[in-house]
Amino acid sequence: GAVVSQHPSRVICKSGTSVKIECRSLDFQATTMFWYRQFPKQSLMLMATSNEGSKATYEQGVEKDKFLINHASLTLSTLTVTSAHPEDSSFYICSAPRRGLASDEQYFGPGTRLTVT
Amino acid sequence: QKEVEQNSGPLSVPEGAIASLNCTYSDRGSQSFFWYRQYSGKSPELIMFIYSNGDKEDGRFTAQLNKASQYVSLLIRDSQPSDSATYLCAVNGYGANQAGTALIFGKGTTLSVSS
Repeated sequence: GAVVSQHPSRVICKSGTSVKIECRSLDFQATTMFWYRQFPKQSLMLMATSNEGSKATYEQGVEKDKFLINHASLTLSTLTVTSAHPEDSSFYICSAPRRGLASDEQYFGPGTRLTVT
Repeated sequence: QKEVEQNSGPLSVPEGAIASLNCTYSDRGSQSFFWYRQYSGKSPELIMFIYSNGDKEDGRFTAQLNKASQYVSLLIRDSQPSDSATYLCAVNGYGANQAGTALIFGKGTTLSVSS
């Protein structure tokens, strides 16, 4: 069964509004989670690393003030897209490495399809 | 800039044939290599991972790694129409957190298996 969940699976919002996406590890603790973004016909691009108890680290070119990440607990990370614009429309996917496996094996959430109108 | 390169395809094979998917990577320091399958509109699912040079077999899938050539491949034997998907090659990378646990993905190869 799924070990990482995301909510919502699909969201449509108007330009200028903010959208929050949740990523949960279901039966394990994840001190680190990753947020990826995938545009149509493109690969997954790492946006940021979410760290429990500390600030997220962002990849080059990703606006930290636009994509707010909060790792509130050992099983929950949230990504808030602030003042969303149509160019933010994409497939957002989180992942988490699971304890007991190799350090860089990750389980992916089912993804969130964001459409900004 | 660490890169992972794949032919975008589409790669078309008949049912029952062997599908061969290839990937090259730029960072010689990469240690872990992954193949994911992604159906349209869905999240990637892990098929195999490989860490050591040589072959690793799991059912109909065989991953091959050659670190000297910076090359990793995936063979799918007895291909089935249900194998039709995009296959993503991923390599461990160092994101901004420098922890070495992020994955760098190729753009993926689209495989089409005809019945």
